[in-house]
Amino acid sequence: DGGITQSPKYLFRKEGQNVTLSCEQNLNHDAMYWYRQDPGQGLRLIYYSQIVNDFQKGDIAEGYSVSREKKESFPLTVTSAQKNPTAFYLCASSRLLTGAGEQFFGPGTRLTVL
Amino acid sequence: QKEVEQNSGPLSVPEGAIASLNCTYSDRGSQSFFWYRQYSGKSPELIMSIYSNGDKEDGRFTAQLNKASQYVSLLIRDSQPSDSATYLCAVIGDSNYQLIWGAGTKLIIKP
Repeated sequence: DGGITQSPKYLFRKEGQNVTLSCEQNLNHDAMYWYRQDPGQGLRLIYYSQIVNDFQKGDIAEGYSVSREKKESFPLTVTSAQKNPTAFYLCASSRLLTGAGEQFFGPGTRLTVL
Repeated sequence: QKEVEQNSGPLSVPEGAIASLNCTYSDRGSQSFFWYRQYSGKSPELIMSIYSNGDKEDGRFTAQLNKASQYVSLLIRDSQPSDSATYLCAVIGDSNYQLIWGAGTKLIIKP
């Protein structure tokens, strides 16, 4: 089955730790995205990538980093510089960047800072 | 700042009735409009897209777009308890490919 996988489903981070969230897709999509969702708020774009080895900052990139070494994979690192990382993190992909409205989402990772 | 506004709800609708969800957007140049459904604790799922003025129907769902008034709506006919979810409106402007998201409307269908 084609789709997007994210791991882990739940993640707990201690103060000062960096953590990496995994996102893998087998849809052969070119574009991939990372969003953050907080209760009662819309999705906010962290980073996006339309091709391998290239990515762009979204609206809230500070404290986060990404890589795109393979078309299928787009991991997100939440660094210790992100002061309020507790949120629901969603990875998505679309066939092309120009098709960004038709995004497929992974199941999400819920990150909690201890 | 480009914005997409939705009433947060909850919107409570009896089973079998029509649920009407509304969304307004600030960027007059917006070209593409989308409705996503998100069940509690789950990720969003695309249910409708609309690109031109008027109505677009897909099963029990109808999306309506009025660019002059800058609003887009979603009608759900014969509402079912399984339709209870948060509905997110998202818009793409004509200057980039980023989706601008509303905060969502929580819909509750009462049996």
